[in-house]
Amino acid sequence: DTGVSQDPRHKITKRGQNVTFRCDPISEHNRLYWYRQTLGQGPEFLTYFQNEAQLEKSRLLSDRFSAERPKGSFSTLEIQRTEQGDSAMYLCASSADRGKSPLHFGNGTRLTVT
Amino acid sequence: GNSVTQMEGPVTLSEEAFLTINCTYTATGYPSLFWYVQYPGEGLQLLLKATKADDKGSNKGFEATYRKETTSFHLEKGSVQVSDSAVYFCALSDLTGGSYIPTFGRGTSLIVHP
Repeated sequence: DTGVSQDPRHKITKRGQNVTFRCDPISEHNRLYWYRQTLGQGPEFLTYFQNEAQLEKSRLLSDRFSAERPKGSFSTLEIQRTEQGDSAMYLCASSADRGKSPLHFGNGTRLTVT
Repeated sequence: GNSVTQMEGPVTLSEEAFLTINCTYTATGYPSLFWYVQYPGEGLQLLLKATKADDKGSNKGFEATYRKETTSFHLEKGSVQVSDSAVYFCALSDLTGGSYIPTFGRGTSLIVHP
């Protein structure tokens, strides 16, 4: 169990640019989640994968955000035409496919949009 | 919908003091409840959990009891240490539209002074 890893740890980009983040979950975990966290707030749900299928997306998620999980292993989260309001910590988590299993989080990718 | 409400922080205590962090929830189903902890510079990690009413989760001297009648899951520790300084997140996991989507509170910062 090497844990959930996210890359990069930090990303600074100019407004209007596209960015892509990667998440490698714990290998035997079928479930993968993306959350966003801003200062002083808890993690806010963005999207959820069961294997390669994207089963849930937050209604608050802009259509500039897209996520994939090809082959049900790693996942990518892309933000197109970034805005300053996108600046946040993006968290990836995975869990076992057993009922209400706890999440295992990565250390996150901190995005700063200038 | 599901929601979690935590007491606002920061909570500032002296070493060996008693800790309580309040958490209440609203859920449409019968959720499992969790406390996660985030130490400075690290990702969220599971601290303890409870899956049904009157269950007590415990770990590292922390405890929380699932109280269905008051929809609460308060975190307690009898004697805190400086190393307990962190942000604590209360969370629930419930079946939403066929998927388990954990919902988090906004977090409570704990600062313990020697």
